[in-house]
Amino acid sequence: EVQLLESGGGLVQPGGSLRLSCEASGFNFKSYAMAWVRQAPGKGLEWVSAIVSNGYNTYYADSVNGRVTISRDNSKDTLYLQLNSLRVEDTAVYFCAKVPTGSWYGFFDYWGQGTLVTVSS
Amino acid sequence: EVVLTQSPGTLSLSPGERATLSCRASRTVSSNYLAWYQQKAGQAPRLLIYGASSRATGIPDRFSGSGSETDFTLTISRLEPEDFAVYYCQEYGTSRIAFGGGTKVEIK
Repeated sequence: EVQLLESGGGLVQPGGSLRLSCEASGFNFKSYAMAWVRQAPGKGLEWVSAIVSNGYNTYYADSVNGRVTISRDNSKDTLYLQLNSLRVEDTAVYFCAKVPTGSWYGFFDYWGQGTLVTVSS
Repeated sequence: EVVLTQSPGTLSLSPGERATLSCRASRTVSSNYLAWYQQKAGQAPRLLIYGASSRATGIPDRFSGSGSETDFTLTISRLEPEDFAVYYCQEYGTSRIAFGGGTKVEIK
């Protein structure tokens, strides 16, 4: 069974940093692209970032480009998202999602339950 | 970047009725790279349809997708109580994917 378990969310002040993690199990992690999608309270889904299976290529939404870094450790079956220079508008539930291919672009066949990031003073 | 507009914003229907949800793209979606998701309150989204019309694993056949180019439709043939949720379309034909704003299907 595919499982994606996010962690690392919490309350942080504007300008602060946070590192999110997503532990994967139940599939051959190193063979698939992965992504982060966020959802602000009461709002819709917003794609944040994606990374191909070998980690060599990364992609970012304009709203976070330059402030966010996606990475993965295929030896640990774990995806990461480093969030820097956080703004109030970055407040959201951040979902980790699996792409059914090794390359970007794609849809998402499995999702984690999400981790809440709250940016507030 | 493509913009996806979903309509209506809210659909009020009774169990057993047919639901028709629309997703319109600001430009042609290449190779029909269009997916649909269902999201219930407090839960992660669930993939329903990809490639505009292919059902994901385990999705009941009352869910169907259709359309091409800029106009896509998700149809739920007969609403079950568990189908009342928010539905999102997503385009994945470019490196910067896009989601629609969602359609809420609520109980009338």
